[in-house]
Amino acid sequence: AQSVTQLGSHVSVSEGALVLLRCNYSSSVPPYLFWYVQYPNQGLQLLLKYTTGATLVKGINGFEAEFKKSETSFHLTKPSAHMSDAAEYFCAVSAIASGGSYIPTFGRGTSLIVHP
Amino acid sequence: DTGVSQDPRHKITKRGQNVTFRCDPISEHNRLYWYRQTLGQGPEFLTYFQNEAQLEKSRLLSDRFSAERPKGSFSTLEIQRTEQGDSAMYLCASSLEGLTDTQYFGPGTRLTVL
Repeated sequence: AQSVTQLGSHVSVSEGALVLLRCNYSSSVPPYLFWYVQYPNQGLQLLLKYTTGATLVKGINGFEAEFKKSETSFHLTKPSAHMSDAAEYFCAVSAIASGGSYIPTFGRGTSLIVHP
Repeated sequence: DTGVSQDPRHKITKRGQNVTFRCDPISEHNRLYWYRQTLGQGPEFLTYFQNEAQLEKSRLLSDRFSAERPKGSFSTLEIQRTEQGDSAMYLCASSLEGLTDTQYFGPGTRLTVL
């Protein structure tokens, strides 16, 4: 079974400041890890994912995340926040499902607030 | 490529009524997923199709819920005898089997059961 804990339901940063959204996971098998973003009234969009290989994963919009097995973490970072980054962010973990696809188990989400 | 579409976007119904939602995936995507998202929570997996075959169903999918994908293209999710606890956003996603298998989400159908 897999589970995800996102620390902090709300994170507030100033424009231009570092963004750090925390995610810890639990998985009985080697995990696939994901970060999704959800803008108001829109569907979820994949930011980045880790499957195997390089532990530092770069995604869209300048975001990146590092898989740290020893800490069971997959924190999301961005060096400089932009107003347009304000959204809900979801971390997810998955194992391989029937047919070879993956079924993410999502965390509860972190709302990123960006102040001018 | 018009993205994943869902219809209707909003549905208000009375307890005990049946409702049906439709999802049109991105063309050529052979995988289709249904999720449910309640306020303040992340999406929860309901079911998954590969082509027309329903490969996985969550324990969340009670007997009142049924999903179909008869021709391997669009899918419908039906909820019979709706309950107030069914009020949620129902999300559909699709993906193309392969190396990336990235799931693309639709905007969702918001169901309110009175």
